[in-house]
Amino acid sequence: GAGVSQSPRYKVAKRGQDVALRCDPISGHVSLFWYQQALGQGPEFLTYFQNEAQLDKSGLPSDRFFAERPEGSVSTLKIQRTQQEDSAVYLCASSRTGPYGYTFGSGTRLTVV
Amino acid sequence: RKEVEQDPGPFNVPEGATVAFNCTYSNSASQSFFWYRQDCRKEPKLLMSVYSSGNEDGRFTAQLNRASQYISLLIRDSKLSDSATYLCVVSETTSGTYKYIFGTGTRLKVLA
Repeated sequence: GAGVSQSPRYKVAKRGQDVALRCDPISGHVSLFWYQQALGQGPEFLTYFQNEAQLDKSGLPSDRFFAERPEGSVSTLKIQRTQQEDSAVYLCASSRTGPYGYTFGSGTRLTVV
Repeated sequence: RKEVEQDPGPFNVPEGATVAFNCTYSNSASQSFFWYRQDCRKEPKLLMSVYSSGNEDGRFTAQLNRASQYISLLIRDSKLSDSATYLCVVSETTSGTYKYIFGTGTRLKVLA
């Protein structure tokens, strides 16, 4: 597609509920990144995929967070047993390779109530 | 201490003013440097890359000082449309990952 597509745009979850956030990267982009952006903060790195391989998951805040990209294209970020502190915008970015040409999706705004 | 530090602002400046933002980073091994712009409730978008020799794009000038681990952005002749948050970004390589580390962002409001 023309850009990085994320869905849903908005998600309201009750505390304790599981959520799944989807990212469709730009076709042909090898690298895919997930970031978490809390209100008034810059994006914080969560995890990185190169094709289907998850090469870095050092930013995932707890074992409730899980990401996958099984066929090297679409990626899903799953959060189990959501907590209020998980409320944030979750941004996905993709790039062809290397550090240049990061394109971000519009993000998913998660609110845990 | 955060890896990338910026003054969060807000900077309120009149139209036509010149405004400068600064950023410091802690990892001397950082390899690439960028300024991103983020409008309210939108995703970050690349404004410009930053090179040691300094680079200019219209009204915007970016500078990198590797010795001091310091990055700057200068905006001349500010427009109302420049109102946004400006994110300082450094790229680091760890185990083959080119990871972007973002600052908190500096809010700019240009006033009519």
